[in-house]
Amino acid sequence: KNQVEQSPQSLIILEGKNCTLQCNYTVSPFSNLRWYKQDTGRGPVSLTIMTFSENTKSNGRYTATLDADTKQSSLHITASQLSDSASYICVGGASGTYKYIFGTGTRLKVLA
Amino acid sequence: GAVVSQHPSWVICKSGTSVKIECRSLDFQATTMFWYRQFPKQSLMLMATSNEGSKATYEQGVEKDKFLINHASLTLSTLTVTSAHPEDSSFYICTPRSSDVEAFFGQGTRLTVV
Repeated sequence: KNQVEQSPQSLIILEGKNCTLQCNYTVSPFSNLRWYKQDTGRGPVSLTIMTFSENTKSNGRYTATLDADTKQSSLHITASQLSDSASYICVGGASGTYKYIFGTGTRLKVLA
Repeated sequence: GAVVSQHPSWVICKSGTSVKIECRSLDFQATTMFWYRQFPKQSLMLMATSNEGSKATYEQGVEKDKFLINHASLTLSTLTVTSAHPEDSSFYICTPRSSDVEAFFGQGTRLTVV
């Protein structure tokens, strides 16, 4: 069964600190792994997309890693800002289908 | 990448009434549109896949007679929640099928049924 699990469920950090969010996936046949940021009441916005051949991808202060062997991904946020407060969703894409498998997300709260 | 506009962004309706949600692909011809539903603190769940010019396909457990989907053109797909009830209160989001790896989502519609 295709599934994506994320940890932690929620996280609170102080502004300026770094944090790392985790994602374990079981998606077969695996095509790509994405990270989205979702503000409350808004649609998800893409941060990074990685295929199985990519190990890391950065988008500003966001850096995602992918280990296709262990089926794990992480999203590292550097020098967090108050505007980083949101839900971060890990999404798996399977080959041969345009359907996406969504994780339940990590709710991040950045405090001043 | 595709730009997706969803309307309305929020709606409050009385129980028993119907609500129509529009999803427009502004710069992309979407032969297929995915409709998702998201309950509070939960993940996005695929409800149905709309196909231009043909019937939508629904995920298991989603009532096709309750959630009417129309995909009459390559740029517009609509989801109508018929005879809405409080348990239908949710966040509804659409995204077009794209040949790119990227998936762009609409901004979502917050439905509250009172």
